[in-house]
Amino acid sequence: QVQLVQSGAEVREPGASVKVSCKASGYTFSDYHMHWVRQAPGQGLEWMGIIHPTADDTRYAQKFQGRITMTRDTATSTMYMELSSLSSEDTALYYCAKDYTWSFEYWGQGTLVTVSS
Amino acid sequence: QSALTQPASVSGSPGQAITISCTGTSSDVGAYDHVSWYQQHPGKASKLMIYEVSNRPSGVSHRFSGSKSGNTASLTISGLQAEDEAEYYCSSYTTTRTWVFGGGTKLTVL
Repeated sequence: QVQLVQSGAEVREPGASVKVSCKASGYTFSDYHMHWVRQAPGQGLEWMGIIHPTADDTRYAQKFQGRITMTRDTATSTMYMELSSLSSEDTALYYCAKDYTWSFEYWGQGTLVTVSS
Repeated sequence: QSALTQPASVSGSPGQAITISCTGTSSDVGAYDHVSWYQQHPGKASKLMIYEVSNRPSGVSHRFSGSKSGNTASLTISGLQAEDEAEYYCSSYTTTRTWVFGGGTKLTVL
């Protein structure tokens, strides 16, 4: 069965960076894009970007351009999302989600990132 | 890209049917049939309920159905059950090759 296992909760100070990982299993990693979505406390879902496991196809939401980087490690079937210049507004649950026909088919368990001084 | 517009809340009694709307523009919902719906219970990750406007993934109840007309997509849940009480989100692919979500709709089963 498809599993997306994300790294644990993180606490960062304002201005710092955070890197979240998402290890995939149960499907052919190289065949499907991966999205990153976040959800601030009590708020809705927000799309951050998408990356292909092998092809040169990475797209970011305009809101995060310049401070987000998505990468992958095909050897370990792991995706990464790094967000820099953090502020309190970046406190949220961060999810990876496997793409399927332009939808978010399977979701990771979420990684809580707390930005606080 | 502005969020898609969903009602903040809807409610219905067990056994009834409800519909949640999702209004976008000709640059997202109206541009493609790449509209999907998600169910989120408190403290849980989201679950895909409908993809490509009206397709149900394996394992999703036939009580869930989707449709689209112009710039508005809709999710209908028939035969409401207590377990359907959750937050529902729509999403659409856009002409800028990005995705956008709706603001979410809280479904209360009375």
